[in-house]
Amino acid sequence: GAVVSQHPSRVICKSGTSVKIECRSLDFQATTMFWYRQFPKKSLMLMATSNEGSKATYEQGVEKDKFLINHASLTLSTLTVTSAHPEDSSFYICSVPRTGSETQYFGPGTRLLVL
Amino acid sequence: DQQVKQNSPSLSVQEGRISILNCDYTNSMFDYFLWYKKYPAEGPTFLISISSIKDKNEDGRFTVFLNKSAKHLSLHIVPSQPGDSAVYFCAARAYNQGGKLIFGQGTELSVKP
Repeated sequence: GAVVSQHPSRVICKSGTSVKIECRSLDFQATTMFWYRQFPKKSLMLMATSNEGSKATYEQGVEKDKFLINHASLTLSTLTVTSAHPEDSSFYICSVPRTGSETQYFGPGTRLLVL
Repeated sequence: DQQVKQNSPSLSVQEGRISILNCDYTNSMFDYFLWYKKYPAEGPTFLISISSIKDKNEDGRFTVFLNKSAKHLSLHIVPSQPGDSAVYFCAARAYNQGGKLIFGQGTELSVKP
């Protein structure tokens, strides 16, 4: 069964609105989660590391005020795309590393389309 | 600066034959490597991994080989099956980077019946 869930799976919004994407770890607790973005036919680009109890760590070039990350609990991280624009349209995926394992488990992804 | 490179965007193989997917990296700090399989509009699914202290890891039809001196790894799938058709991503982790993964560009594998 699924280890990581994401909600919603697809979202269409108007330019200028904000969209929240949830990532849940279903089988284990996670103090860290990762958020990735994938453009069509491109690699997965790490956006930020979500840290439970502290601020998220953003990769170079990723606007922290644009992509708000909140690690609300040991099983939930949210990514909010604020004032979305068409160029934010993408496939957003979260991953959860399992404690004591080197493996990361990925969510099913969220397709965002900004009109 | 592409630290993990998959230079073949696509690969076509006949069913039953071997599929070999290649990956090169530049960062000497990488200590763990993973292969993921991905279908369109889905999240990546973990396939197999290898620690930098090993040179081979096998799991069923999947084998990963690591050549540290050449900074090269490969995924072998044998025998290939039509259900293996997907995009395969190589990913690497640096021991001093908090567990985050750096992905290659992906190779789209097509296994023809």
